[in-house]
Formats: sequence, structure tokens, C-alpha cells
Amino acid sequence: GQNIDQPTEMTATEGAIVQINCTYQTSGFNGLFWYQQHAGEAPTFLSYNVLDGLEEKGRFSSFLSRSKGYSYLLLKELQMKDSASYLCAVRGNSGNTPLVFGKGTRLSVIA
Amino acid sequence: KAGVTQTPRYLIKTRGQQVTLSCSPISGHRSVSWYQQTPGQGLQFLFEYFSETQRNKGNFPGRFSGRQFSNSRSEMNVSTLELGDSALYLCASSLRLVRDTEKLFFGSGTQLSVL
Repeated sequence: GQNIDQPTEMTATEGAIVQINCTYQTSGFNGLFWYQQHAGEAPTFLSYNVLDGLEEKGRFSSFLSRSKGYSYLLLKELQMKDSASYLCAVRGNSGNTPLVFGKGTRLSVIA
Repeated sequence: KAGVTQTPRYLIKTRGQQVTLSCSPISGHRSVSWYQQTPGQGLQFLFEYFSETQRNKGNFPGRFSGRQFSNSRSEMNVSTLELGDSALYLCASSLRLVRDTEKLFFGSGTQLSVL
């Protein structure tokens, strides 16, 4: 089976940096995704990691450690529009494996 | 290019009824996946269709079913609705079967309320 854990809620200040952690236990591993979902909207793709290390994309970075079953999403220079849920999702490697999502972290950015 | 379109956006049903939700994937995408999203459980995988065939199924009762048409459009059906079926149902499409780096493009979902 697969188990993905991430904090339920986080609050951070505009302009600051926030790190959202995700730990996973899967039968095999074939990639980790981060999605952003604003209230009432569709989840949108943010990043993909399959090898250890940091992937940077503008204000957002995602890190992966496969040996530790751990990832984080780093958001810099927070803006009010970053208030959203952030979903961690993992794909196993047993053939036709669906993308399994964590329950999401609701981030509130305050002034 | 138009995104993933789901209809209807909102739906209210009563217990025991059945419901059909529709999803039109991004043009050219052949894979459609369905997820159920609730505040307590997050996104839970229902099923994936590719070339009109169900390729994968999640751990949901047989009341949940789906199909895909030759134009890749998909429908999911829930029969004998229960209160616990109240959720946001999300459809996602991808170019090919969901593998490796293949990312999902989600629609805005159908919010189903069962009274």
C-alpha cells in the first residue's frame, strides 16, 4: 500500500519563506508530484521529482530524498495569492499505478 | 487549447438516486482519470480509462462505474446514492496512460451534494 503524510494547515506571512513537508511510504517509487489547488478550482501541476535533489522553478522549489521517503515544497517571497492547498502525490512503480495523493496542506498567507 | 471540462459544476441529489457526471479531456488526450475529493480523505483514485478501456480501478464499491467513448470523453455513474457520496468529483486527463513523468491536467470538478 501507499501512505502519504503532510501537515493539514500552515500559516505564513507575506514576503516570507515557507516549507511544506511530505513523507511517503510506497511499494516502489516512480516520481513525486506537487499540485496547487485554490479553493473551488482545479488542482494545477507545480513540480515533479524523480531523482534526489532540488528542482527550482521561480519562487517555488521542490526537494526529494528517496532514501528517506521525504520531499518538501519551498515557497519564497510569499504572496497573498499563494494561499491555497498544496497536494503531494506519489507514483509507485508496479506497472499501471495511479497517482496517489496526500490529503493536502492548506496554506494561509497573512499580511 | 481548452482545458478539461466537467459538467455539471454543481449537483444536488437525494439518497437512493443515481447520477452521471461528464468529463471532456484536453483535445488529443487519451487517458482520463477520476478522483473523489473530500475534506477528510483528500483525493482518492476512482478509475482510469484509456482508449475506451478501464485500465485501473481504485477501492470503491461497485456502485461507482464509468466509461470512455471513442472521442475520449468520459462519464462516471454513481447508483443508489448515499450521504457519504457527497464530494467533489475531479476528472483529469493526460496524453498517454498515467506513467512516470506523465502529469495530470484536472478539471474544476463536479460538486455533488446528497441530501
